Amino acid sequence: SYELTQPLSVSVALGQTARITCGGDNIGSKNVHWYQQRPGQAPVLVIYRDTNRPSGIPERFSGSNSGNTATLTISRAQAGDEADYYCQVWDSSSVVFGGGTKLTVL
Amino acid sequence: QVQLVESGGGLVKPGGSLRLSCAASGFTLSDHCMSWIRQAPGKGLEWVSYISGSSSYTNYADSVKGRFTISRDNAKNSLYLQMNSLRAEDTAVYHCARGCDSTGIDYWGQGTLVTVSS
Repeated sequence: SYELTQPLSVSVALGQTARITCGGDNIGSKNVHWYQQRPGQAPVLVIYRDTNRPSGIPERFSGSNSGNTATLTISRAQAGDEADYYCQVWDSSSVVFGGGTKLTVL
Repeated sequence: QVQLVESGGGLVKPGGSLRLSCAASGFTLSDHCMSWIRQAPGKGLEWVSYISGSSSYTNYADSVKGRFTISRDNAKNSLYLQMNSLRAEDTAVYHCARGCDSTGIDYWGQGTLVTVSS
């Protein structure tokens, strides 16, 4: 089965840029989606199909996908961005999630 | 606006059964594939099952295959998950969600907690 690998944690200074990676075999050939989950809340879609932002998601959130790595980039990080982030793909008629990355804003 | 509200969770003994429901509003349910996704306490997201808009296609994670059954009633705007032969490792918050394929999952319910314990 297809596996997605994310770092357990990423830290970023307030106002700086955070990058969260999602590794998978030839992931660049798949559509990657990213979800933000704040403590005690349901996940929220922040990036779909690699680079697209749903309505209401700030432009500070962006995504890229190439080769074996997809990346979620959060510019000008804010305290409210502190959350768990999950990448997700569709593979062999199944939904596959990465293990999640805890983003800490210092 | 789109709303997904789960119900039916609770405490059940190992080997028992539970049926979860998800009430959908704000959109036409039959137009969308729907999923159940769970999250064990302190753990990450785990996809459980999905069902196509017409109910013609379903799929399950290996961990629940043969024990869980997903269904939907588009006329009642509802999604269901019948869970049988429950195990301690099924303990989790179960989220109902809209979407299941390469387009992503765009709306999630708050979830309902299922606890399997003797």
